Amino acid sequence: GQNIDQPTEMTATEGAIVQINCTYQTSGFNGLFWYQQHAGEAPTFLSYNVLDGLEEKGRFSSFLSRSKGYSYLLLKELQMKDSASYLCAVRPGGSYIPTFGRGTSLIVHP
Amino acid sequence: DADVTQTPRNRITKTGKRIMLECSQTKGHDRMYWYRQDPGLGLRLIYYSFDVKDINKGEISDGYSVSRQAQAKFSLSLESAIPNQTALYFCATSDFVDRQETQYFGPGTRLLVL
Repeated sequence: GQNIDQPTEMTATEGAIVQINCTYQTSGFNGLFWYQQHAGEAPTFLSYNVLDGLEEKGRFSSFLSRSKGYSYLLLKELQMKDSASYLCAVRPGGSYIPTFGRGTSLIVHP
Repeated sequence: DADVTQTPRNRITKTGKRIMLECSQTKGHDRMYWYRQDPGLGLRLIYYSFDVKDINKGEISDGYSVSRQAQAKFSLSLESAIPNQTALYFCATSDFVDRQETQYFGPGTRLLVL
């Protein structure tokens, strides 16, 4: 089966940098997604990685290492509004059906 | 105006009833998806469609059916609702350009099956 692991909860200080890790074990690989979801709201797409390396989008960056089955989401210059759940999802090889992790609840405090 | 809309936003129904959840998009995307979200279980894909008349089962399609009669519309039906289908349902669209996929989610439909 497919397995996605990410920490359940993290806390960080406003203005700081936080790295949310995601490790996966899947049958092959066909892309990794990161989403942000505020409580009671729809997920917001953050990034899609299919090749190794770092993708940067403003304050958010996502990194992928396919050989290590590892990704991280890096959030810089944290703001209070970044308090949310961050979901990692992986598509196994030859499939468009993603497996989602259970999400990391990030709490940003002043 | 929202690019991906869902109706209804909230629905209460009884066991055994047939209900339909509608999704519409103005983004012109070919790819559309239906997910459900349960507390502690994350998102799970129910069905997806890459074009009009194209229908593919996701991880948890049993008890559900879909219809993609137009590029802009993707409907999810529960033929005979049961209580464990109580969940938050999201529709999403995506585009795929230069090996980069970007997804857009609707606001969600809260469904309660009594």
